[in-house]
Amino acid sequence: SAVISQKPSRDICQRGTSLTIQCQVDSQVTMMFWYRQQPGQSLTLIATANQGSEATYESGFVIDKFPISRPNLTFSTLTVSNMSPEDSSIYLCSVKGDRAYEQYFGPGTRLTVT
Amino acid sequence: GENVEQHPSTLSVQEGDSAVIKCTYSDSASNYFPWYKQELGKRPQLIIDIRSNVGEKKDQRIAVTLNKTAKHFSLHITETQPEDSAVYFCAASIRGNEKLTFGTGTRLTIIP
Repeated sequence: SAVISQKPSRDICQRGTSLTIQCQVDSQVTMMFWYRQQPGQSLTLIATANQGSEATYESGFVIDKFPISRPNLTFSTLTVSNMSPEDSSIYLCSVKGDRAYEQYFGPGTRLTVT
Repeated sequence: GENVEQHPSTLSVQEGDSAVIKCTYSDSASNYFPWYKQELGKRPQLIIDIRSNVGEKKDQRIAVTLNKTAKHFSLHITETQPEDSAVYFCAASIRGNEKLTFGTGTRLTIIP
């Protein structure tokens, strides 16, 4: 499976600021996704990061709050904008190869908003 | 959209015994069902998956069964060991859509 890294691994941010999370894969992948995992909860899909076009957002998530970029087949960023304490979560990227069904997750970014 | 329910939310099992976690899904178009194990502070790790064209799949002590008619699938862990203690998530997706919908998770504790 691909090696996936995320930066930063954790951060503590002040309310009203923004944080950009990076996801890097060591090989080209067709699909990249961003998930949120609130404390003690399951994983919820935020959006599908589309290479060369706008991300596809799930219900309850909007581009103004979570802008996503995917400039190539190995890299994506998620920005959490105008943060509030409710945004405190773990944010994970996942990738899926062209022919495979399997999805693999990055190590996650633990975000705390004070 | 797809809805995945998972039971139980917590499960304690004596070491060496078996553990079973069950999930149901709502969308009959779902055709891929992975299971993830998440240890504390770690990423979800894919441990086994099953596609809708098979009814059962086994990998050493772990097996997954799928009943398409009833729209439910289960994870079976035999001869449990302390390192099996973790939170387990089931998920479902539709080939071509690829979006994973997760269950609420099961915290499995193996009692030595």
